[in-house]
Amino acid sequence: DQQVKQNSPSLSVQEGRISILNCDYTNSMFDYFLWYKKYPAEGPTFLISISSIKDKNEDGRFTVFLNKSAKHLSLHIVPSQPGDSAVYFCALREGGYNKLIFGAGTRLAVHP
Amino acid sequence: DTAVSQTPKYLVTQMGNDKSIKCEQNLGHDTMYWYKQDSKKFLKIMFSYNNKELIINETVPNRFSPKSPDKAHLNLHINSLELGDSAVYFCASSQLLTDQNYGYTFGSGTRLTVV
Repeated sequence: DQQVKQNSPSLSVQEGRISILNCDYTNSMFDYFLWYKKYPAEGPTFLISISSIKDKNEDGRFTVFLNKSAKHLSLHIVPSQPGDSAVYFCALREGGYNKLIFGAGTRLAVHP
Repeated sequence: DTAVSQTPKYLVTQMGNDKSIKCEQNLGHDTMYWYKQDSKKFLKIMFSYNNKELIINETVPNRFSPKSPDKAHLNLHINSLELGDSAVYFCASSQLLTDQNYGYTFGSGTRLTVV
């Protein structure tokens, strides 16, 4: 059974608007929550992270929100740009060996 | 300078063959990983090494054997390849996560096709 779910396989947003990507999880023991971005034929690249003791972390246009009671993680991108078009994975850390559990990804398309 | 490099980028081979994928990182990280991205696009961990010691070994067939000659290298050898082994294999490295950590650094992947 999947511990990490990204229920929207794709999202289409107009340039300049906000993109909201969501991630739900079942295991309360995750202690770090990360977002990765992936372009075709490349490996995922780190975007932003948050620890379980926080509920918000911001880096430029990217903000990650964590709602532990709802076991929900989200990534906000504002304003969205065409270069943001990629697949976004949430990844949650389990245990002391730095093991990351990934969601299935959401394909974001930002159109002019 | 490539931080995590994998070779080859593409690998097409017949069922039953044995093949290896190599990975090297120049970031000075202590921990390296192999992940498999299957046809449903899930990224699933296979193995992890910390300073040449195996620390994560998920439920992976014995045909898959990782080898880490030093902390900068982690290779993956696959025996008796099967059609279901077709996937993209990603190598990654990291230090232990801290509050300011940047997670894993991934290689660009090796697309393995078994025919």
